[in-house]
Amino acid sequence: RKEVEQDPGPFNVPEGATVAFNCTYSNSASQSFFWYRQDCRKEPKLLMSVYSSGNEDGRFTAQLNRASQYISLLIRDSKLSDSATYLCVVNTGGNEKLTFGTGTRLTIIP
Amino acid sequence: GAVVSQHPSRVICKSGTSVKIECRSLDFQATTMFWYRQFPKQSLMLMATSNEGSKATYEQGVEKDKFLINHASLTLSTLTVTSAHPEDSSFYICSARDPQRGGDHEQYFGPGTRLTVT
Repeated sequence: RKEVEQDPGPFNVPEGATVAFNCTYSNSASQSFFWYRQDCRKEPKLLMSVYSSGNEDGRFTAQLNRASQYISLLIRDSKLSDSATYLCVVNTGGNEKLTFGTGTRLTIIP
Repeated sequence: GAVVSQHPSRVICKSGTSVKIECRSLDFQATTMFWYRQFPKQSLMLMATSNEGSKATYEQGVEKDKFLINHASLTLSTLTVTSAHPEDSSFYICSARDPQRGGDHEQYFGPGTRLTVT
């Protein structure tokens, strides 16, 4: 079983719609969780950290469910510029090592 | 925000040659940097953790004699792909964590180096 699993998509969503991604992780000792965004042929960029209490940043909402070991990302009122691959990232243990999911590809359709 | 640079951004080399990639933290000191590799349509895979002033820690399956890492200063780590072969063609990305800012192990990524071995 992969340490971090995501639905690879692709998700093709009309502009203005709401889209949600889920991600599961296998190690219950995982401590920190993130969503990164990666545009084609570019480096990943941090979108948001994910906290147990859930957090929101504008149109983006992230949730963490430790009991079920999954993380979600909700994008509301999607825009063309949201088209990218979204990477679920987990840190396990006391070191700084990050484990990446394979990413979910999102395309917003005008 | 914290900035990490990489050089070169793209390199094409012949099979059997060696290629050096530099990763620099521009506005902070990074005692630890990370080297990742990403093949097309796959996710980032950690290759090694680069520690300033000590030996790098390699992930399982990554040959330390083939991928030489040097972290000689707090702002520079280098990855040398020795005797490169076509199967080494990939997108190599470094990252660093600024211990003075952010929490939760946030890392800042360089723009990546696209290596093509012919």
